[in-house]
Amino acid sequence: GEEVAQTPKHLVRGEGQKAKLYCAPIKGHSYVFWYQQVLKNEFKFLISFQNENVFDETGMPKERFSAKCLPNSPCSLEIQATKLEDSAVYFCASSHWVGEQPQHFGDGTRLSIL
Amino acid sequence: DQQVKQNSPSLSVQEGRISILNCDYTNSMFDYFLWYKKYPAEGPTFLISISSIKDKNEDGRFTVFLNKSAKHLSLHIVPSQPGDSAVYFCAPYTSGTYKYIFGTGTRLKVLA
Repeated sequence: GEEVAQTPKHLVRGEGQKAKLYCAPIKGHSYVFWYQQVLKNEFKFLISFQNENVFDETGMPKERFSAKCLPNSPCSLEIQATKLEDSAVYFCASSHWVGEQPQHFGDGTRLSIL
Repeated sequence: DQQVKQNSPSLSVQEGRISILNCDYTNSMFDYFLWYKKYPAEGPTFLISISSIKDKNEDGRFTVFLNKSAKHLSLHIVPSQPGDSAVYFCAPYTSGTYKYIFGTGTRLKVLA
């Protein structure tokens, strides 16, 4: 498609439960990025992929967060044993290349941990 | 360790006037700088970018200036319009990495 599609728009989980977020990048885009926006303005980089290969995961809290981009499937970000501090808006972005090439963002998934 | 700072959390400007949004960084390895605009409940959208080998890039009402020695860039919007009211982020990138570092954002309000 011509837009990055993120589902669901809003996800509510009890503390300790699992959360799984999905992202369908724009067709033909090889690069996928996940970001976490906790406070209203602060974007934190989590992980990047080139096709199904992880390129940079330095932003991922490794104990509980995992992500995949498999062929012919939406990319996913999974959080095990969620904590209150995981409440945030999670954005996915895709691009054809990196550098000066702009990223195209989805509208985000708002994750609320109760 | 905040590598990218936008020191003005908010800015109000009269319609028709110039808006100047600033971004300071500490990492001299950044070699591309992108600006994004974000409306509430939407993802950021790309606005304009500049390579570190340039000091100015212009696109319509939007101009970005880069001062590498000062590690400072600015986005100028002239003339400002009410539809420009949004949060603006600068997002530098280093070649060979696969991540962009977003600034803290500046909320621009253009008053009609």
